Amino acid sequence: DAGVIQSPRHEVTEMGQEVTLRCKPISGHDYLFWYRQTMMRGLELLIYFNNNVPIDDSGMPEDRFSAKMPNASFSTLKIQPSEPRDSAVYFCASSQGRPNTEAFFGQGTRLTVV
Amino acid sequence: AQKVTQAQTEISVVEKEDVTLDCVYETRDTTYYLFWYKQPPSGELVFLIRRNSFDEQNEISGRYSWNFQKSTSSFNFTITASQVVDSAVYFCALSGNNAGNMLTFGGGTRLMVKP
Repeated sequence: DAGVIQSPRHEVTEMGQEVTLRCKPISGHDYLFWYRQTMMRGLELLIYFNNNVPIDDSGMPEDRFSAKMPNASFSTLKIQPSEPRDSAVYFCASSQGRPNTEAFFGQGTRLTVV
Repeated sequence: AQKVTQAQTEISVVEKEDVTLDCVYETRDTTYYLFWYKQPPSGELVFLIRRNSFDEQNEISGRYSWNFQKSTSSFNFTITASQVVDSAVYFCALSGNNAGNMLTFGGGTRLMVKP
């Protein structure tokens, strides 16, 4: 299996623009997570899905952030409009089946908002 | 609420030294799971180990070993005979039985192994 695949790897955008981050989880995994990593706040869980259904989005910073999982093999995290403080590395991770199994992470998308 | 504390923000050792990375956690769950992840300079997060709260046996995998002590809520990670390739940020994480598969991460410990 190719692992969790995220695109793009790097994104530079101007403040106010819409940004869409993409994730393909490992096939057969039914949990999908979006994390954000910054120097100040470390690794924070933004939202997670189980069987394509959002379970907990309490970590989503504000309404400018939205996430979807239209099917088992694809998820998006959208920021609209983007702000400089959104600059971070965004990780997608997936895990399988029974609770509390290890999550496997993608390589991350480094977002810079200027 | 869950919390993971990695008090050591940065550790520097010379190659071949042993090094222990500390992890202390808090949870109200009676069943929970602890993890260690490695983040090398390339940026990806690599899973190292998962341990459930009922299994307090220490584990050894090559130069890596883990010491889980429920009495002190600690899950420490030791690298024996460190190598330059071990240089990375190491994260301890916790997932409670009532938190689905959500991982709460510690702040990470940056390990620098010098030749």
